[in-house]
Amino acid sequence: ETGVTQSPTHLIKTRGQQVTLRCSSQSGHNTVSWYQQALGQGPQFIFQYYREEENGRGNFPPRFSGLQFPNYSSELNVNALELDDSALYLCASSPDSFSEQFFGPGTRLTVL
Amino acid sequence: GESVGLHLPTLSVQEGDNSIINCAYSNSASDYFIWYKQESGKGPQFIIDIRSNMDKRQGQRVTVLLNKTVKHLSLQIAATQPGDSAVYFCAEPPSDYKLSFGAGTTVTVRA
Repeated sequence: ETGVTQSPTHLIKTRGQQVTLRCSSQSGHNTVSWYQQALGQGPQFIFQYYREEENGRGNFPPRFSGLQFPNYSSELNVNALELDDSALYLCASSPDSFSEQFFGPGTRLTVL
Repeated sequence: GESVGLHLPTLSVQEGDNSIINCAYSNSASDYFIWYKQESGKGPQFIIDIRSNMDKRQGQRVTVLLNKTVKHLSLQIAATQPGDSAVYFCAEPPSDYKLSFGAGTTVTVRA
């Protein structure tokens, strides 16, 4: 196990709702990256947080937002959910923004 | 856009045989690659990496080969075991903070 935990494991929402996903990074890691993995696809980078600041963003709309706390845990928030937001959301932590990333088990989000 | 891609979406291999998973990349400037394994219900797990100043790197039962001329890399798994059944991704490490994954190859090991 990587020491990265995510909650909840599964979640069902309806279109238009908002969701918050949580990630606890591995001890000693100050960087958290979030990825979206659609069924049958590779993970796609959403954004990265380093020492509580956003440190890079992929091609996702502003309704995807995040937060990193002083203990380096992180949240991913998605507003105005769409059906295509259904996916596995992965969190990865690393000692810094250019080191190996350790992935959590993911949160499976289903939007109906 | 995606700069790494795998050749075959699925691979079925007999237990005990060797597996070869291929990956192509488009960016000639890419200098570092990682192979990940993702088992069902889990996040991707680091297997092995290789830098562009190397052609080959070996780990425990795994070997990665890099051909910079044709921008191709492969992951070889020796004596494939049932526990090797998973989805395998090649990826580029953080470049502008973005880890870019290919689509993945699903390896199924037949008993």
